[in-house]
Amino acid sequence: ETGVTQSPTHLIKTRGQQVTLRCSSQSGHNTVSWYQQALGQGPQFIFQYYREEENGRGNFPPRFSGLQFPNYSSELNVNALELDDSALYLCASSSKRGGNTGELFFGEGSRLTVL
Amino acid sequence: GQNIDQPTEMTATEGAIVQINCTYQTSGFNGLFWYQQHAGEAPTFLSYNVLDGLEEKGRFSSFLSRSKGYSYLLLKELQMKDSASYLCALSPTGSSNTGKLIFGQGTTLQVKP
Repeated sequence: ETGVTQSPTHLIKTRGQQVTLRCSSQSGHNTVSWYQQALGQGPQFIFQYYREEENGRGNFPPRFSGLQFPNYSSELNVNALELDDSALYLCASSSKRGGNTGELFFGEGSRLTVL
Repeated sequence: GQNIDQPTEMTATEGAIVQINCTYQTSGFNGLFWYQQHAGEAPTFLSYNVLDGLEEKGRFSSFLSRSKGYSYLLLKELQMKDSASYLCALSPTGSSNTGKLIFGQGTTLQVKP
């Protein structure tokens, strides 16, 4: 059983650029959620994907968007990068929809620095 | 909405017991999670409480009191490797999402020899 993997692990962008982060969910998991974790803070929910559709969104602007593919892997896209977007972006997978009873399995994250 | 409070930092001695508190204000939630996150690593699941009371799992225990809006994580026989951030998180009600958790800011625990 493979865990959640994310790429790239680190990247540096400049303001105004666009970035794509990738995530492969744990084997057998069909739900992927994305979180932003600023330094010294807890993760903040960005959105979740289930069956290739966005299924719940946190308080993030539309320039944060995503995709889920038939193999359940996912992408997070951020357009028009701002300095405050510098953070660790975590992907988490789970296997059960409805009820919030399943634990989340996190990847090790993609650390984005915006200059 | 939800508001979750945890102490920012705690220090404890190897072999001792430490209790990390989490208080929250929310209109309702399904359950409360505790996650451990070592520096530069992914958060990993520690415990989940749905009902009031104590859930014990080895050296770690978690307690929930819904009426008091309070939870704690108890770590016994502390080891140096327990130095990490401990995150309290709620799973909100009224939603079909399984992937949405509301996290506190985390408590950084430093275990000293």
